[in-house]
Amino acid sequence: GENVEQHPSTLSVQEGDSAVIKCTYSDSASNYFPWYKQELGKRPQLIIDIRSNVGEKKDQRIAVTLNKTAKHFSLHITETQPEDSAVYFCAALLYNQGGKLIFGQGTELSVKP
Amino acid sequence: DGGITQSPKYLFRKEGQNVTLSCEQNLNHDAMYWYRQDPGQGLRLIYYSQIVNDFQKGDIAEGYSVSREKKESFPLTVTSAQKNPTAFYLCASRGQGADSPLHFGNGTRLTVT
Repeated sequence: GENVEQHPSTLSVQEGDSAVIKCTYSDSASNYFPWYKQELGKRPQLIIDIRSNVGEKKDQRIAVTLNKTAKHFSLHITETQPEDSAVYFCAALLYNQGGKLIFGQGTELSVKP
Repeated sequence: DGGITQSPKYLFRKEGQNVTLSCEQNLNHDAMYWYRQDPGQGLRLIYYSQIVNDFQKGDIAEGYSVSREKKESFPLTVTSAQKNPTAFYLCASRGQGADSPLHFGNGTRLTVT
């Protein structure tokens, strides 16, 4: 069936460095790709999203790129800060399956001061 | 997100008992979702519903049941048939439109002994 693969599962960077998390999806009908940040013990919060008709979107230090042909999308965080440490999830919406939204396995990002 | 209420925050049950997790939203969202979160496995979709009186199985529906009698409510019952029910359960909702974001409740942590 359809799925979303996310890599890496853990990522450790120095404060100020960039972090990149990558996801691939299997269903070519997917048309919406959100990214969520989850801090320990809290619910996931949307940080950025992108639609299938857009190749890149930026919001301050965060950017997402989408390659529909290759069916992969990536999250880029620049100038990382310790408060960026959290688990990040990518997701894909399968619009022709009644709005089914499936998530990747998550990436635990650790930003060392 | 104050618009989605999950109760209770912590729930303890004995093995063999059915238990129902509550999810209420006042965001006037049509779509509602239930996810299960286990360490290192991301968010796995249990059931989702696009409209009242209709719902679809997600990727791990076995041992669970839902109802959608009202737009605001989407309760999840964890039955005794669910082999490993101990987990963190997240309810979410989203509005119409392909790029409407998913809003999560604070979750219910269920422990079955």
